Amino acid sequence: DIQMTQSPSSLSASVGDRVTITCRASQSIGNWMAWYQQKPGKAPKLLIHKASTLESGVPSRFSGSGSGTEFSLTINSLQPDDFATYYCQQFYSFSQRTFGQGTKVEI
Amino acid sequence: EVQLLESGGGLVQPGGSLTLSCAASGFTFSNDAMAWVRQAPGKGLEWVSTISSIANRPYYSDAVKGRFTISRDNSRKTVFLHMASLRADDTAMYYCARDPRAGDLDYWGQGTLVTVSS
Repeated sequence: DIQMTQSPSSLSASVGDRVTITCRASQSIGNWMAWYQQKPGKAPKLLIHKASTLESGVPSRFSGSGSGTEFSLTINSLQPDDFATYYCQQFYSFSQRTFGQGTKVEI
Repeated sequence: EVQLLESGGGLVQPGGSLTLSCAASGFTFSNDAMAWVRQAPGKGLEWVSTISSIANRPYYSDAVKGRFTISRDNSRKTVFLHMASLRADDTAMYYCARDPRAGDLDYWGQGTLVTVSS
């Protein structure tokens, strides 16, 4: 099975900061990586797919990078609406769609 | 506007069964794979199952394989998750999501809560 290690599990930041979250896969997954944002009591929201493609309507301060086993989500100039939990997800195969453990971004 | 509306959650005893439904609208349902993802209280996201758009092929996580069955009815634009032999660790919010590109999930429902307890 492909394991995903997401770090950090939580971080404290201020409005205007640049934040980077990383995900490491236990084996190469090409660019089959997505990133989601989830706020309390709400369903997740897709931010990035295919490792670096910004989903329609998502602000350009969000960006994704990486391939193979190392991936990152960067938020430039953190805004108040960005305080949430972020998850990576690999979808290398139909039978394995593992999520990372999540990163809570707090003020 | 794409909408996904889950239903069927509730309280069930250990060993019992439950069937969740997800009614879709706003897109060509038969063209897209559909998935179920769950989230235990205070925990992270866990992929449960996906059903493909072509041949309705099902895929399951190891945690539910042999106990859960995913299916779809394209005429009703609905995807189902039949859950059997339920355990306490199946307690979670269950989300239905659209899988348009063989992996990432671009639209999600609001979720339906399943509680397994005696």
